[in-house]
Amino acid sequence: GQSLEQPSEVTAVEGAIVQINCTYQTSGFYGLSWYQQHDGGAPTFLSYNALDGLEETGRFSSFLSRSDSYGYLLLQELQMKDSASYFCAVPHQAGTALIFGKGTTLSVSS
Amino acid sequence: DAGITQSPRHKVTETGTPVTLRCHQTENHRYMYWYRQDPGHGLRLIHYSYGVKDTDKGEVSDGYSVSRSKTEDFLLTLESATSSQTSVYFCAISEDRGSGNEQFFGPGTRLTVL
Repeated sequence: GQSLEQPSEVTAVEGAIVQINCTYQTSGFYGLSWYQQHDGGAPTFLSYNALDGLEETGRFSSFLSRSDSYGYLLLQELQMKDSASYFCAVPHQAGTALIFGKGTTLSVSS
Repeated sequence: DAGITQSPRHKVTETGTPVTLRCHQTENHRYMYWYRQDPGHGLRLIHYSYGVKDTDKGEVSDGYSVSRSKTEDFLLTLESATSSQTSVYFCAISEDRGSGNEQFFGPGTRLTVL
């Protein structure tokens, strides 16, 4: 089967940097994705890593280490609007459907 | 925004009644998915479709069935609703693996089973 572990909650202040970790167990590996979900809203895609290393998209970066079955989402210059839940996800049975972690709730305070 | 709508957006029903949720897309994407979201469980895959009349089970498919007779519509049916199926249901769509599994989600349907 597949499973993902991520912290349930993270808190930070505006302007800070926060890292949300994700460890996974899969029978094969086909990439790690990250999604953001604001309270009451739909999840939205943030990033995807298929290979080891860091992918940067503006204030957000995502890192993957396949040998460690580990990835993280790095959020820089935090803003209040970054308060949301963040989910890591891996493909279901090597297909296009996703298996999600339980999510990390990020609270940004001023 | 990807053109995905879900109907109804809210529904309250009683235990034992059948319920059908509809997901409609205007993007002509091949893949469609149903997830449920519950506190403490994140998003869990119920069923998915990789083409018209082609569907498969996900993590939590018991008590649910799906149908896809047209590219644009993916229906989720609870044959006999139970209180444990009270949840928020999200539909999602995607094109193909080349996009890194990027999925676009609908607004969700909040279902309450009394």
